[in-house]
Amino acid sequence: EAQVTQNPRYLITVTGKKLTVTCSQNMNHEYMSWYRQDPGLGLRQIYYSMNVEVTDKGDVPEGYKVSRKEKRNFPLILESPSPNQTSLYFCASSDAGTAHYEQYFGPGTRLTVT
Amino acid sequence: GENVEQHPSTLSVQEGDSAVIKCTYSDSASNYFPWYKQELGKRPQLIIDIRSNVGEKKDQRIAVTLNKTAKHFSLHITETQPEDSAVYFCAASRWDSNYQLIWGAGTKLIIKP
Repeated sequence: EAQVTQNPRYLITVTGKKLTVTCSQNMNHEYMSWYRQDPGLGLRQIYYSMNVEVTDKGDVPEGYKVSRKEKRNFPLILESPSPNQTSLYFCASSDAGTAHYEQYFGPGTRLTVT
Repeated sequence: GENVEQHPSTLSVQEGDSAVIKCTYSDSASNYFPWYKQELGKRPQLIIDIRSNVGEKKDQRIAVTLNKTAKHFSLHITETQPEDSAVYFCAASRWDSNYQLIWGAGTKLIIKP
């Protein structure tokens, strides 16, 4: 089954404790992206990747890191999480290395930083 | 850069009536406009999209219209049903935008029985 998976789905952590949210897709998509979703603010892009070893900042990259060592995986790293990073996070992937095609979203990761 | 505004933030309609959600964009070079639906607790999913070379696109009960002169595009849902209750997001992108979609803030659509 074609899908985007994220782990963990739910995470409660404390300020400053490094964490990684994994994202994996099995559709051989070139383009992958991370979003955060907050009430009233819609979807805001954190980072995106057009292919292996190619990543770029989105609208809200501060406090986040990503890597794209393999085509299928695009982990999101929070080196020192803070309470303002409490949010719902979505990973997405798209074919043809462009945003001009359907983005397939993962199930989401709800992160709480206390 | 591109900015997308979406209205209304909440829309309540009687079951069977039509619903219209409107988005305006700022970058006249934008040429791709998708709409995503997010049901409660679920992930966003593409429901329809339109490119700047057409003015309207339909898929059963949903349609999207694009007015390039006025820089706005709208989602139309006819004969609304309970399963249409969700949050709807519009987005815009331009062909040379470095693969970025710029998203509206979302519209919560409530279908009243």
